Amino acid sequence: DIQMTQSPASLSASLGETVTIECRASEDIYNGLAWYQQKPGKSPQLLIYNANSLHTGVPSRFSGSGSGTQYSLKINSLQSEDVASYFCQQYYNYPTFGGGTKLELK
Amino acid sequence: QVQLKESGPGLVQPSQTLSLTCTVSGLSLTSNSVSWIRQPPGKGLEWMGVIWSNGGTDYNSAIKSRLSISRDTSKSQVFLKMNSLQTEDTAMYFCARNGDTKGIWFAYWGQGTLVTVSS
Repeated sequence: DIQMTQSPASLSASLGETVTIECRASEDIYNGLAWYQQKPGKSPQLLIYNANSLHTGVPSRFSGSGSGTQYSLKINSLQSEDVASYFCQQYYNYPTFGGGTKLELK
Repeated sequence: QVQLKESGPGLVQPSQTLSLTCTVSGLSLTSNSVSWIRQPPGKGLEWMGVIWSNGGTDYNSAIKSRLSISRDTSKSQVFLKMNSLQTEDTAMYFCARNGDTKGIWFAYWGQGTLVTVSS
């Protein structure tokens, strides 16, 4: 199985700040990576697929980048509604998820 | 509008079999693939398996021996059956429609159904 290591596990940031979450795969996943946002008590929602493609309806302040084994999710101009947990997921092989990042407001 | 909704028993006794149903609307199961994913309370996500649009299945190797996924296309329903349940199988169980490009990723999710394994 491909292991996904996500960092940081938790993050505190101020409104308007830019936030970056990282994900490292145990082997090359050739941009087969998605990012999800999960708010408490809700199901995950797709943000990014194919490492850098924005899902329909997702605000443009979210962006994804990376290649090989290293990927990142960037949130520009943090809004209060962005408080959530974020998960990366590789799908180059059978799906595996990162451990998650809990984003809070400072 | 694509919608998925999970349903199930809520409480299952240890060693028993779990049966869940995912009812979909706004999509055809003969042209879309659906996965099951679970999340223990306060923990991360685990992909369980997929039923492809052609009816074929693939499973997570860690639980493959206990898991079966099937469907009834006429009722727009996907089924999960997992046997020999233990307390560590307590989790929120989600079904999700796969994305449109190659690979198993999840474009739309159901709300989830909580399953507690306890005597």
